[in-house]
Amino acid sequence: KAGVTQTPRYLIKTRGQQVTLSCSPISGHRSVSWYQQTPGQGLQFLFEYFSETQRNKGNFPGRFSGRQFSNSRSEMNVSTLELGDSALYLCASSLGRRGRDLDSPLHFGNGTRLTVT
Amino acid sequence: GNSVTQMEGPVTLSEEAFLTINCTYTATGYPSLFWYVQYPGEGLQLLLKATKADDKGSNKGFEATYRKETTSFHLEKGSVQVSDSAVYFCALRTLRDDKIIFGKGTRLHILP
Repeated sequence: KAGVTQTPRYLIKTRGQQVTLSCSPISGHRSVSWYQQTPGQGLQFLFEYFSETQRNKGNFPGRFSGRQFSNSRSEMNVSTLELGDSALYLCASSLGRRGRDLDSPLHFGNGTRLTVT
Repeated sequence: GNSVTQMEGPVTLSEEAFLTINCTYTATGYPSLFWYVQYPGEGLQLLLKATKADDKGSNKGFEATYRKETTSFHLEKGSVQVSDSAVYFCALRTLRDDKIIFGKGTRLHILP
């Protein structure tokens, strides 16, 4: 079974630009979660999508948005980039059935390293 | 709210030393507990898990026991290798919240 695929692996953008990151989950997984990882803050939850609907949301500004397509692939968009948005963005997929799959783990991609200059 | 606290790193040990990485949690309800590991340049991968009190998760020589009375899930390994150098994350998930909460991670360096 193919793992979680994130593209691109690396991105360099300048302040004020916008960026779109892509994530293809494991086949059969309907939940996709996004995390921001930085040395100072660790792993911070951005949002989770399940069956094309945002199900959970972290404490990030509205510049961070996402969506999920009918094939469960997900994209994350960051508009008006700031220097502090430089981070590793990780996507994770799981079965994600609410109230079930409690011990079903997240399967992570290798991340997209975003550098904002 | 739910939270996970794990020991600050980095932790530096010599090869074959005994490892403990402490993890405690606060949760409403009855969480499932996980340890994830992140090797350089990669995403996180599940190392082990436990879903109820007194359960012991184990994998690749690592172990952790779900201790409800002390709300802890400490990670241990009897003899570490250089290849164990990575960042380790403790995490929990509850039926109520239905999302995984991670600790800040502990970086482990093993010296040959």
